[in-house]
Order: sequence, then structure tokens, then C-alpha cells
Amino acid sequence: EAGVTQSPTHLIKTRGQQATLRCSPISGHTSVYWYQQALGLGLQFLLWYDEGEERNRGNFPPRFSGRQFPNYSSELNVNALELEDSALYLCASSLGSSRNTGELFFGEGSRLTVL
Amino acid sequence: KNEVEQSPQNLTAQEGEFITINCSYSVGISALHWLQQHPGGGIVSLFMLSSGKKKHGRLIATINIQEKHSSLHITASHPRDSAVYICAVISRIKGGGADGLTFGKGTHLIIQP
Repeated sequence: EAGVTQSPTHLIKTRGQQATLRCSPISGHTSVYWYQQALGLGLQFLLWYDEGEERNRGNFPPRFSGRQFPNYSSELNVNALELEDSALYLCASSLGSSRNTGELFFGEGSRLTVL
Repeated sequence: KNEVEQSPQNLTAQEGEFITINCSYSVGISALHWLQQHPGGGIVSLFMLSSGKKKHGRLIATINIQEKHSSLHITASHPRDSAVYICAVISRIKGGGADGLTFGKGTHLIIQP
């Protein structure tokens, strides 16, 4: 069974551009979480989608947005890129939406570099 | 002060050694996760626990709720255990699930042959 898949693995953009990252959860999982891991910092929660709805967002500006599609895959969009957006973006999926603290399954991440 | 502190930050050991990684947190929690991040960036969830002890293969995780402390132990360490190990907690006050995780900065473990 395929795990959580993310694309692209690497992305290079310049300041002011937009970046789109994609995530496909494990089959049967409805919840998708996005996290940012900037160099030297711990993982930080970005966004949570479940059943097509945004359920929660972390302390990030509105230029970080996303959506979840009917097949539960998800996109993360970052507009007006800034240098400090350079980071590893990790997607994770889990079963259900009841804020269960069950096991999380992570993807390999998308490394975004902003020049 | 970070809510989640890990020690040591870096650890280099010889193959076969018993490894202990520590995690201390400052808030009441509903759950604690141990994660393993490989050099390429991918993360594997190792354990989720809220009390006691869990064991999976050569990995053992313990938690002491009263002392706000958890440890991850690796027995008979092997070079393939080389990775960053991350502790993450869900605050009982903040609540939430995976959206409420607060992460430590990780312990970088290298096991030399």
C-alpha cells in the first residue's frame, strides 16, 4: 500500500513568486496536516484539512493557504514568497477528524528554496 | 523557554551501544509522540504514549507524567538507527490532535560501525 506521497521533492522559486506543493494521503485517510520545518527550527503546524474543509491553521500569515480535494489529496499554496519561507514542508495523514491522537503517517517532504 | 526540550542535541555512539534520548516538557499533556526523521527528511512515527511504557523491536519509550519527562531508548544500536529523533506533545490545555503538536528541535543520532 502506498504511503503518503508529496510532490515535488524539491522546488526552487524566487522572492515574490508562488509555490504549490501537493500531498496524497494514505488510502482511507481523510485528515491531512501540513507542517513547516525551517532550518534550525522545530516542526511547526501549518494547516489541517479534513473532509474537504480547513479545520485549523497555525500561526502563519494568510499567504499560506491550501485546499483538500474530494479524493482527500491536498495542496499547499504559498503566495508572495519570502526568503524565510525556505524550508522543508511535510505532509501527514491520519484516520478521521475527531481530533484523535492516533498514529500519524508522514510523507518525505517537499524542500522549498526561495532565492 | 521552549515547551519541549530534548537532550542531548547531538549524540554519536558506537554500534551496539544502548542509547537514551530525553524529552522534557513544561505543560500538562494529553499525549506524547516520538518521531524518527531520516536524512532525506521523511518522518516515521515511532510511538504515541500518554502513560507507562511501549516497546517495538529494539525501541522502548517511557513517560513519567508527574515528572513531565519521556525517554526513548534504543538497544543494540545499529548504523541504520542514525537519524534525528523528535519528541512532540499535545498540550492538555491547548487540546487538539495532530494540529496541536508542539515539537522539540530533535536529537541528531549517529551510530558508527
